[in-house]
Amino acid sequence: EDKVVQSPLSLVVHEGDTVTLNCSYEVTNFRSLLWYKQEKKAPTFLFMLTSSGIEKKSGRLSSILDKKELFSILNITATQTGDSAVYLCAVEDSGGGADGLTFGKGTHLIIQP
Amino acid sequence: NAGVTQTPKFQVLKTGQSMTLQCAQDMNHNSMYWYRQDPGMGLRLIYYSASEGTTDKGEVPNGYNVSRLNKREFSLRLESAAPSQTSVYFCASSNLRAGELFFGEGSRLTVL
Repeated sequence: EDKVVQSPLSLVVHEGDTVTLNCSYEVTNFRSLLWYKQEKKAPTFLFMLTSSGIEKKSGRLSSILDKKELFSILNITATQTGDSAVYLCAVEDSGGGADGLTFGKGTHLIIQP
Repeated sequence: NAGVTQTPKFQVLKTGQSMTLQCAQDMNHNSMYWYRQDPGMGLRLIYYSASEGTTDKGEVPNGYNVSRLNKREFSLRLESAAPSQTSVYFCASSNLRAGELFFGEGSRLTVL
């Protein structure tokens, strides 16, 4: 059974701080790891990672995957109040069928002004 | 630019009542999914459909049925609602086997 563990489950920081969110996983046949941001409603896609050591970057957000140690991190630099959200990590198993993603419980990030 | 549309957005049911959540996507995606999200539990897969005409159980299928009506539409039915089915339900679609999912805005269901 695929498993995704995120830490911390919640985090409160001040605007301007840098945060690192963690995601470790166990999956039978790894295909990809994805990060989503969820504010009030639907999760929105941030990154998809398939290869170790290659950083994906979008503005102040970046993410990297370590397939040997089975984890990924999501970094947010110079945080803003608009970064407050739940960040979800998910893994895709390539073992047959379009059976969706297995999600972690999420990290609830609160940015205080 | 609709993407994935779910209806209704809110629903209150009494125990034992039935209802259907509707989902439609306009991105010509092959795969569609129903997830539920509960506090502290993350998103859990209920059912998915890899392509038109096929459906498969996910992690938590008990108490639900689905229909892939055509390529665009994927509905979720609760035949006899139970309080344990109180949750926020998300429909999603994808072009590849899974990979990037595009989510609807969610349907908040309360079963009394």
